[in-house]
Amino acid sequence: AQSVTQLDSQVPVFEEAPVELRCNYSSSVSVYLFWYVQYPNQGLQLLLKYLSGSTLVKGINGFEAEFNKSQTSFHLRKPSVHISDTAEYFCAVSDKGNAGNMLTFGGGTRLMVKP
Amino acid sequence: KAGVTQTPRYLIKTRGQQVTLSCSPISGHRSVSWYQQTPGQGLQFLFEYFSETQRNKGNFPGRFSGRQFSNSRSEMNVSTLELGDSALYLCASSLKMGRNEQFFGPGTRLTVL
Repeated sequence: AQSVTQLDSQVPVFEEAPVELRCNYSSSVSVYLFWYVQYPNQGLQLLLKYLSGSTLVKGINGFEAEFNKSQTSFHLRKPSVHISDTAEYFCAVSDKGNAGNMLTFGGGTRLMVKP
Repeated sequence: KAGVTQTPRYLIKTRGQQVTLSCSPISGHRSVSWYQQTPGQGLQFLFEYFSETQRNKGNFPGRFSGRQFSNSRSEMNVSTLELGDSALYLCASSLKMGRNEQFFGPGTRLTVL
């Protein structure tokens, strides 16, 4: 079984400032890692994913994340945020050994970008 | 290509009733997963279908069921609705099972009164 913890439920930040959204996971098996974004009244959109290889992953909209196996973390970063980045962000994992697409999500972090 | 579509978008039911939600995946996608999103429990996996067979199931009571048709469209059913079933139900599709990107629909918001 896996679990995902997003350490901050809300992160307020000023426009053009850098931001980091933290994600830690716990799993007895190897996992794939994902970050999704959800805008109001919409479904989830994939920002980036880590499957294997380089631990620094670049995604859409200028986001990137770094996989740290020893700390079981997958923190999301953006060097300069925009008002349009205001949304809820979800970290998720899936079991590498499972043939399916089942995702285990964290509780979400609401990013609030202020002008 | 059209995205994942879910119908209806909003639904109001009363306790004890049953409900059926529909999901049409992206054309060519054969895997469909369902998730429940609530403020208290967050996003929780319900089940996944591929080639008309349930491949994975989350920890939900038997009142929650689903099926997939030969054209990959999927439905989920909740019987004997409870107040706690009020949630946003999200459907996601992907080309196949495995480490594939899932594309989410906008969801169906179910309110149980």
